[in-house]
Amino acid sequence: DAGVIQSPRHEVTEMGQEVTLRCKPISGHDYLFWYRQTMMRGLELLIYFNNNVPIDDSGMPEDRFSAKMPNASFSTLKIQPSEPRDSAVYFCASSQQAYEQYFGPGTRLTVT
Amino acid sequence: AQSVAQPEDQVNVAEGNPLTVKCTYSVSGNPYLFWYVQYPNRGLQFLLKYITGDNLVKGSYGFEAEFNKSQTSFHLKKPSALVSDSALYFCAVRDINDYKLSFGAGTTVTVRA
Repeated sequence: DAGVIQSPRHEVTEMGQEVTLRCKPISGHDYLFWYRQTMMRGLELLIYFNNNVPIDDSGMPEDRFSAKMPNASFSTLKIQPSEPRDSAVYFCASSQQAYEQYFGPGTRLTVT
Repeated sequence: AQSVAQPEDQVNVAEGNPLTVKCTYSVSGNPYLFWYVQYPNRGLQFLLKYITGDNLVKGSYGFEAEFNKSQTSFHLKKPSALVSDSALYFCAVRDINDYKLSFGAGTTVTVRA
């Protein structure tokens, strides 16, 4: 298996622009998680899905953030409009029955 | 609420010496515990987990961890460290009734040759 795939690996955008991060989970995994990692706040869970349904989005910082999972093979995290404080590494992870999670390589987002 | 504490920001050891990375946790119910490792500019890699059963669990790359319920600890250990073990290590916990993982702040391990 190729593991969790994320794209793009790097994104540089200007404040106010829309940003879309993409994730393909491991085939057969029924849970998908989105995290944000910063030096100041460490790893934060933003939202997670079970069988494509959002279960807990309490970690989503603001209404500017939204996430979807239209099918078992694809999820997006969208930021609109983006702000400099959104600069971070965003990770997608998937798991089977919510045991160990397998992380993607991350998307490094820089908002200028 | 659940939380993880990794009391050491950094651990430095010589190659060939034992390595220990400390972790304590807090959950309202029974815990599921995990260790992950992160290399620079990479995602987190799963090392090992405690779900139930034997308190000593063995994982990837020669690592092991011991679950201690009375001390609410789950320390990561390796008998003989390698330079290639130098990385950032995260302990994580979840309640068995909650699918959300809580991560510690991480411990940077440096193994010198």
